[in-house]
Amino acid sequence: GIQVEQSPPDLILQEGANSTLRCNFSDSVNNLQWFHQNPWGQLINLFYIPSGTKQNGRLSATTVATERYSLLYISSSQTTDSGVYFCAVGGGYQKVTFGIGTKLQVIP
Amino acid sequence: GAGVSQSPRYKVAKRGQDVALRCDPISGHVSLFWYQQALGQGPEFLTYFQNEAQLDKSGLPSDRFFAERPEGSVSTLKIQRTQQEDSAVYLCASSQPWAQDLGYTFGSGTRLTVV
Repeated sequence: GIQVEQSPPDLILQEGANSTLRCNFSDSVNNLQWFHQNPWGQLINLFYIPSGTKQNGRLSATTVATERYSLLYISSSQTTDSGVYFCAVGGGYQKVTFGIGTKLQVIP
Repeated sequence: GAGVSQSPRYKVAKRGQDVALRCDPISGHVSLFWYQQALGQGPEFLTYFQNEAQLDKSGLPSDRFFAERPEGSVSTLKIQRTQQEDSAVYLCASSQPWAQDLGYTFGSGTRLTVV
């Protein structure tokens, strides 16, 4: 199956700083999603982005499918951005495989 | 409903007990997924339904795990003769397979503790 690698595994930011999270995958994908899991365990879908670039407020994501990676940008981080960010990919259009996540802590 | 609803939110089971976990997906969502998340890990795929058809059950860890979605809406994940290694959060997600955005909506999960 598809292998998913996320980096960095852990990240500590001062409030207001920017960051880039990376997701590498081993094969071509038709389904790529970014999720945020908050400290209470709720998984929130941030982006569905098998290719191209999307933006939503302070967050944006870019997937370069031909080079098998995706990036999640967080600008002007806030304490509420803390949690674990997961990349999930699938070769088909349905089932996805999750990476191990990037644990982000934003300190005031 | 407006979101994906899972119940119970927490379940404590004695080893050997059978449990049933319920998922009520977003109304009209054809695709339904079950994932298992161990502490500190990413969610791992268990099984996938399209309407009432179980199209992929390759992630179910043993024959003690069984899932159904008889009318194409609510789904139940059943675990028979629970073992300690079954302790995890069980997550349900739904999506619409023919939309431009195939993104999942997850429920809040059921935290199962086997003692």
